[in-house]
Amino acid sequence: EAGVVQSPRYKIIEKKQPVAFWCNPISGHNTLYWYRQNLGQGPELLIRYENEEAVDDSQLPKDRFSAERLKGVDSTLKIQPAELGDSAVYLCASSSGTGFSYEQYFGPGTRLTVT
Amino acid sequence: GNSVTQMEGPVTLSEEAFLTINCTYTATGYPSLFWYVQYPGEGLQLLLKATKADDKGSNKGFEATYRKETTSFHLEKGSVQVSDSAVYFCALSDLTNAGKSTFGDGTTLTVKP
Repeated sequence: EAGVVQSPRYKIIEKKQPVAFWCNPISGHNTLYWYRQNLGQGPELLIRYENEEAVDDSQLPKDRFSAERLKGVDSTLKIQPAELGDSAVYLCASSSGTGFSYEQYFGPGTRLTVT
Repeated sequence: GNSVTQMEGPVTLSEEAFLTINCTYTATGYPSLFWYVQYPGEGLQLLLKATKADDKGSNKGFEATYRKETTSFHLEKGSVQVSDSAVYFCALSDLTNAGKSTFGDGTTLTVKP
């Protein structure tokens, strides 16, 4: 079974430029999460999808971040424009449901550096 | 709000040493507790979990017991190996908040031969 796939693995951009990250969850997983992990810290949830619906986006900075999950499968997270403080690892995870009984499976992440 | 506090690292041990990584939590509801492990260059993987008080989660020689009275979920292993070198994250999932997960800041473990 293939795991959660993310691309690119690394991205270096200048501030004010746009950037996009792509995630393909495990087949059949209806729930998809985007997390941001700052250096030396744990992941923080940005947005959670149930199928194609964003059910929790309270932590997403909506002035510059956007996300979509068309057709309820793969997802794209976009930042426009990027700021220096956006440098972090962006993690995608998926699960077959919501709640403690459903394990989250994480992708390897995209490491973003904004210069 | 919910929070998770882990002991600060890095932790460096010799092979076959005993490992303890402390984790305490604050939660408004009745959370489930987890330990995740992140090996170099890889994503987080669930190591073990416990869903109610006094439950013991175990996997790959690691154990952690859900202690409601002390709000703790300390990770232990009796004899570490070099291959256990990784970053370990304690986390909770709050069912009263749609299962939203809160992670600690991680503890880096290095095991030397």
